Amino acid sequence: SQTIHQWPATLVQPVGSPLSLECTVEGTSNPNLYWYRQAAGRGLQLLFYSVGIGQISSEVPQNLSASRPQDRQFILSSKKLLLSDSGFYLCAWSARTGPRNSPLHFGNGTRLTVT
Amino acid sequence: QKEVEQNSGPLSVPEGAIASLNCTYSDRGSQSFFWYRQYSGKSPELIMSIYSNGDKEDGRFTAQLNKASQYVSLLIRDSQPSDSATYLCAVNNDTGFQKLVFGTGTRLLVSP
Repeated sequence: SQTIHQWPATLVQPVGSPLSLECTVEGTSNPNLYWYRQAAGRGLQLLFYSVGIGQISSEVPQNLSASRPQDRQFILSSKKLLLSDSGFYLCAWSARTGPRNSPLHFGNGTRLTVT
Repeated sequence: QKEVEQNSGPLSVPEGAIASLNCTYSDRGSQSFFWYRQYSGKSPELIMSIYSNGDKEDGRFTAQLNKASQYVSLLIRDSQPSDSATYLCAVNNDTGFQKLVFGTGTRLLVSP
């Protein structure tokens, strides 16, 4: 069965510090990968998605970036965190094939607090 | 701008009752519809997916879709206290990627 691992679970970082969140998917090949953010009291916002190694699409301009160095690895980064970057970051995957879009499956998330 | 609207709640129902959660969406091109359950502090968990007009049942859950009215709902029969959570509605227009647009969710409280 497919599993998605995301770490760390919680993170407290000062403003201006760098960020690196990692996500790996097991049990599937060539998944579509996604980074979402859920700010307090707000809905899920799509940040980045990737259809393959090195292929990243950004949905929202911001000081975050994403990379996909391996088929099953997705990384979210920032060079300098802002207070507004605080939130619940969720990695997700979906299968690429099929007549219908397969559902999104989320990792356990990383709760980031920027102080 | 594509939008998905949900009543934030809380929706309070007694144990054993039917909980009815509603969602409307603005993009007529939407083709795939999903309901996720999110417990406090946890990540969303897929409950139901529906793609065609009508009802789809899975255990105690029934999803209903009406594309003409741009309306999707989730019914939970025999509600249990463990069903207390926030329920997120999400839609997609079948572009090949799951660029889901999420509602802000309805909080459900099931009292014993």
